[in-house]
Order: sequence, then structure tokens, then C-alpha cells
Amino acid sequence: QSALTQPASVSGSPGQSITISCTGTSSDVGSYNLVSWYQQHPGKAPKVMIYEVSKRPSGVSDRFSGSKSGNTASLTISGLQAEDEADYYCCSYAGSVYVFGTGTKVTVL
Amino acid sequence: QVTLRESGPALVKPTQTLTLTCTFSGFSLSTSGMCVSWIRQPPGKALEWLARIDWDDDKYYSTSLKTRLKISKDTSKNQVVLTMTDMDPVDTATYYCARIGGSSGWYSWFDPWGQGTLVTVSS
Repeated sequence: QSALTQPASVSGSPGQSITISCTGTSSDVGSYNLVSWYQQHPGKAPKVMIYEVSKRPSGVSDRFSGSKSGNTASLTISGLQAEDEADYYCCSYAGSVYVFGTGTKVTVL
Repeated sequence: QVTLRESGPALVKPTQTLTLTCTFSGFSLSTSGMCVSWIRQPPGKALEWLARIDWDDDKYYSTSLKTRLKISKDTSKNQVVLTMTDMDPVDTATYYCARIGGSSGWYSWFDPWGQGTLVTVSS
């Protein structure tokens, strides 16, 4: 099972919107609406931001939204804030196994 | 409140077997629908899923590592144990345990995570 493909880095100015893509295959992202997204600040454990493609856990800002089309899932952060600067990982269920993405570093300019 | 905490050796030698323990609170692994996974992250690299164990003792493993991994649970102690054999320097990573969230019988997201434990493989 190969890692899902994410851009290495994405940047934006405060207040802007950015989108992170997560490309898999018909065996993972394309087969299941079971994509989740994680935010990880340096030295910290990951935190779930989106699950089941577009659902937001309680306590997560509504500036974070998720979607999926075919084999590609996306995470959009609107109204970018300094605290959003972190690494982001997607993850897909792939039939009894899970595949993470390569990770994207988000920089707030 | 659900919490998880990983424990184990910080340093292991090549070819040795690693044993990690995840001690959790706030839920029981004997309750239907509860699942726990192990995930690792080499320094500066991406996350990698390793294994999952369910309330009914079903177990699932990473395809690439399944010959080296074993996951088990001790419900009375609220613990999940992961063993990884034949350790190599490339296995140096922070190892996390996490509860798996699910709905309608599909278990797909990891929340919450433990703080992680760094394991270095070196002679």
C-alpha cells in the first residue's frame, strides 16, 4: 500500500484560504468515504480535524472543511490564522488497513 | 475523558524485539465498537499505520510489516501491547497509540492520540 500523495508545502497569508490535496487510488480514497485529516504541530501528537471526508469533530473550527472527488480528497482552511501553521496529514481506510499521506507543511506568511 | 499513554524502552539494539505498551483510560476495550491502533513516525517523516486491535480481539496489520508485528490486549489492565521483532535502525521513530473512531460499523479515524514515545534503534 503506497502512501497517499500530498503537496510538500502550501502557504498563504492571514485571512486567505488554502487547499491541500490528497491523491490516492481506487483501492483507498476512491473506494471509501473514510478519509480523515490530522494537524500536527512540532513536537506534538497529531489531532484529527476532519473525519469521514467532511465531518468535523466537536471543538474543531468551522474554518476547516473537507471534500472528495474520485481518488482525490481535499482539506480547505479558510480565514488562515497563524495558529494553523503546522503539518497536515490525510489518511484513508483501505480495506482492513490504513494509508497515510506524505504530509503537507502549511506556512502562514 | 479519553487518554492514552505509550511506554517502552527508549533504546533498542538491532535485531532485538521491541515491546510497547499503550495504557488508556476513559473507555473499555471490552465494549463493542472500541478499537485501538499503533502508528509510528520516523524523525522528520510521515505517519505510518502499524496495527489495530478490536473489542472482539480481531487484529489487523500493516501489509509491509505484518510478519514482524503482534498486537494484543489486556482488558483488565486497560492496555494494548505491540511487539515488533528484528528491529533495525530504520525503525527509529516516535510510536503512537490512538483510539479509533467509527460509525455504522466503519472504524476510520484516530482520536485521541497518546503523546508518543521515541524509540531509537542503535548498537
